[in-house]
Amino acid sequence: DSGVTQTPKHLITATGQRVTLRCSPRSGDLSVYWYQQSLDQGLQFLIQYYNGEERAKGNILERFSAQQFPDLHSELNLSSLELGDSALYFCASSADTYTGELFFGEGSRLTVL
Amino acid sequence: AQTVTQSQPEMSVQEAETVTLSCTYDTSESDYYLFWYKQPPSRQMILVIRQEAYKQQNATENRFSVNFQKAAKSFSLKISDSQLGDAAMYFCAYRTYNNNDMRFGAGTRLTVKP
Repeated sequence: DSGVTQTPKHLITATGQRVTLRCSPRSGDLSVYWYQQSLDQGLQFLIQYYNGEERAKGNILERFSAQQFPDLHSELNLSSLELGDSALYFCASSADTYTGELFFGEGSRLTVL
Repeated sequence: AQTVTQSQPEMSVQEAETVTLSCTYDTSESDYYLFWYKQPPSRQMILVIRQEAYKQQNATENRFSVNFQKAAKSFSLKISDSQLGDAAMYFCAYRTYNNNDMRFGAGTRLTVKP
């Protein structure tokens, strides 16, 4: 158990809809990262938050947005969903020290029909 | 931009044998971290081993060890005495010291034959 909690684990929705994925980082971790993993592919970095502020941005679509709240949990909002958005979405967190590693949640599997 | 390349989409090893997974990366930084993560069928991302670039000694974790060649920007993973439970996707990853995002390679699917 990494200590990172993601909900929901599975989500099925239709094209054009909007969903919200939630992540609670490990206790004490200030940084939260979101990654997208499409079927049998690598992890694509979407966005990072540090203590409530956006820190780095990757290949995140304009239809996607995220935020980190004062209690450090984060939400990834996906709107106007398309079939190609079907993927496993990972949240990860890291400590505010130079250990470097990311601790991953179990992922949220999104299926868009 | 930092990139991570895993040139072996698939590898296979006999149980109890040794296998080496390759990884190269491109960076202009001198200080960074390198990682190998394992993703079994459960899809959970599990850290296998970590290497800090300033350390010349190669990291080891039980049956897992790395061959870190900083000048060549190479970071291979050696799995000794392979076990059926080692079957998974293995991702090489890179991260700078400034706490920004971690970049992953495309992964190598390892099959372990009994």
